Amino acid sequence: GAVVSQHPSRVICKSGTSVKIECRSLDFQATTMFWYRQFPKKSLMLMATSNEGSKATYEQGVEKDKFLINHASLTLSTLTVTSAHPEDSSFYICSARDRLAGYSTDTQYFGPGTRLTVL
Amino acid sequence: QKEVEQNSGPLSVPEGAIASLNCTYSDRVSQSFFWYRQYSGKSPELIMSIYSNGDKEDGRFTAQLNKASQYVSLLIRDSQPSDSATYLCAVTKTGRRALTFGSGTRLQVQP
Repeated sequence: GAVVSQHPSRVICKSGTSVKIECRSLDFQATTMFWYRQFPKKSLMLMATSNEGSKATYEQGVEKDKFLINHASLTLSTLTVTSAHPEDSSFYICSARDRLAGYSTDTQYFGPGTRLTVL
Repeated sequence: QKEVEQNSGPLSVPEGAIASLNCTYSDRVSQSFFWYRQYSGKSPELIMSIYSNGDKEDGRFTAQLNKASQYVSLLIRDSQPSDSATYLCAVTKTGRRALTFGSGTRLQVQP
């Protein structure tokens, strides 16, 4: 159980284009999903918290107009990198928290990640 | 000061030995503590979670939490070459569900 998928797993795009990444919880419902970014040999950095039915909460320094997040259902959150540039090339990873998990547990389940390369 | 600190390593241990990974955190209101394993090019996978002081054992893994000293550790018994990976310590704080990660410790288990 507790499987999270991401699509696509790998994408190469030209500078200036937009890229959409999907994150799905396959066997549970997630009111909250998280988007992380990881540069080579660095740790995961939280970009934003995605809440079903409401606006995402972005971390300081993350441009909300550049990284558009939509969490339209209890099983799907999308991250759109708009007008991508080479410096946006990174490993984007989502995670999801089970809606039915008690408030005593903060366990998150991670998707397999999406490697974005902007040429 | 980083919120979650780990020695980057690499930590090298022979096969069959005990690997000891340490993590310290700065915020006393940290509530939940996790150890993730990440293989190169892959996303993190959860190994252990621990919420209260003391030890928690799961197979070859033991997590230890000391809130007074603000550290959490992970012991891996009978280390195997397949345990070679980067181990990430992560914490959450009361009222904030997002994880804050350490920079990770790279473990190398020598056959």
